Amino acid sequence: DAGVIQSPRHEVTEMGQEVTLRCKPISGHNSLFWYRQTMMRGLELLIYFNNNVPIDDSGMPEDRFSAKMPNASFSTLKIQPSEPRDSAVYFCASRLGQGINNEQFFGPGTRLTVL
Amino acid sequence: GENVEQHPSTLSVQEGDSAVIKCTYSDSASNYFPWYKQELGKRPQLIIDIRSNVGEKKDQRIAVTLNKTAKHFSLHITETQPEDSAVYFCAASGTGNQFYFGTGTSLTVIP
Repeated sequence: DAGVIQSPRHEVTEMGQEVTLRCKPISGHNSLFWYRQTMMRGLELLIYFNNNVPIDDSGMPEDRFSAKMPNASFSTLKIQPSEPRDSAVYFCASRLGQGINNEQFFGPGTRLTVL
Repeated sequence: GENVEQHPSTLSVQEGDSAVIKCTYSDSASNYFPWYKQELGKRPQLIIDIRSNVGEKKDQRIAVTLNKTAKHFSLHITETQPEDSAVYFCAASGTGNQFYFGTGTSLTVIP
């Protein structure tokens, strides 16, 4: 298995532009998580899905952020319009099962820079 | 909801010495406690975990202890090596599916 796949790995954009981050979870995993990591705020959970359904989006900072999971093998995190303070590393993670004690597997992350 | 606190935020040790990182949690329903290691520029990766029916678990130079009564758990690294230098995160998970992460400990092992 290739593990969790994220694209792009690096994104540089200008303020006001739309940014779309993509994630493919590990096959068979039914939970997917989006995190944002910065030096100041550490690792923050933005939203997570169980069986493609958003369960908790309380970590989504503003209406500019939205996430979708149209099927079990694909999810997107969109920022529109982007702002410099959105610059961070965004991680996607997946996990097998719900209520089962096992690990989350992280993707390699997308490093976003908004100029 | 669950609240996980982690200490210290930074830790420097001499090579060969031991390192201890401590975490506390608030929700008695939490029953799974993983530890992740994140090297610079890399993704967090699981290094060890412990479930609530176990008090201690060891894997070579790494051990984790859990005190359910006091709601705290600790990571112990013995005979530290320069490649142990990284940021370490603790987490707690319960009946839900969400992991509650600590704020991280930056460990530096001085050769």
